[in-house]
Amino acid sequence: LAKTTQPISMDSYEGQEVNITCSHNNIATNDYITWYQQFPSQGPRFIIQGYKTKVTNEVASLFIPADRKSSTLSLPRVSLSDTAVYYCLVETSGTYKYIFGTGTRLKVLA
Amino acid sequence: KAGVTQTPRYLIKTRGQQVTLSCSPISGHRSVSWYQQTPGQGLQFLFEYFSETQRNKGNFPGRFSGRQFSNSRSEMNVSTLELGDSALYLCASSSTGLAGRDEQYFGPGTRLTVT
Repeated sequence: LAKTTQPISMDSYEGQEVNITCSHNNIATNDYITWYQQFPSQGPRFIIQGYKTKVTNEVASLFIPADRKSSTLSLPRVSLSDTAVYYCLVETSGTYKYIFGTGTRLKVLA
Repeated sequence: KAGVTQTPRYLIKTRGQQVTLSCSPISGHRSVSWYQQTPGQGLQFLFEYFSETQRNKGNFPGRFSGRQFSNSRSEMNVSTLELGDSALYLCASSSTGLAGRDEQYFGPGTRLTVT
């Protein structure tokens, strides 16, 4: 059973780059990693997804090293509106198919 | 395009009762997944349905069940409620039916309180 951990919280200032890491084990070569953002009283919202090396979209980048024991969500130039909780979701080939990370509460300061 | 809707939004039940929650996916989406969110355990995967078939199930007791109808709407049922079932229940829909490999669209959730 995969265990997926994230830092509990992070603070950053507007305009900075923020990197949030998700540590996981027992994931296979083709297992996907997805990142979601959640605001209070709302369901999570998709940010980015990938299964190897690097993926970039208009809002974030996702880095997955060769050993696949972690992944990093990179948010360039954060703003106050990026204050939220960020979750990684790891697809595993084991019995419990989808494992969410513990969540990271990001606070962006002016 | 309407988003994922969940009803009811809030629910209060007593221990031992049962409850049914409903989820209507985005039009055209054939996959619905359910998740439980609590402060202590975080987000946990319950089950995933695609075209009326359960494709995956998380590590929850048999008191938790679900089903999906031909119009892709889904319901989840919890029988013999326990205090620990108090949680936010989220449903998400996607087009391909692989929750871990697709962009899921989440509803606002149903807040269940068991007293």
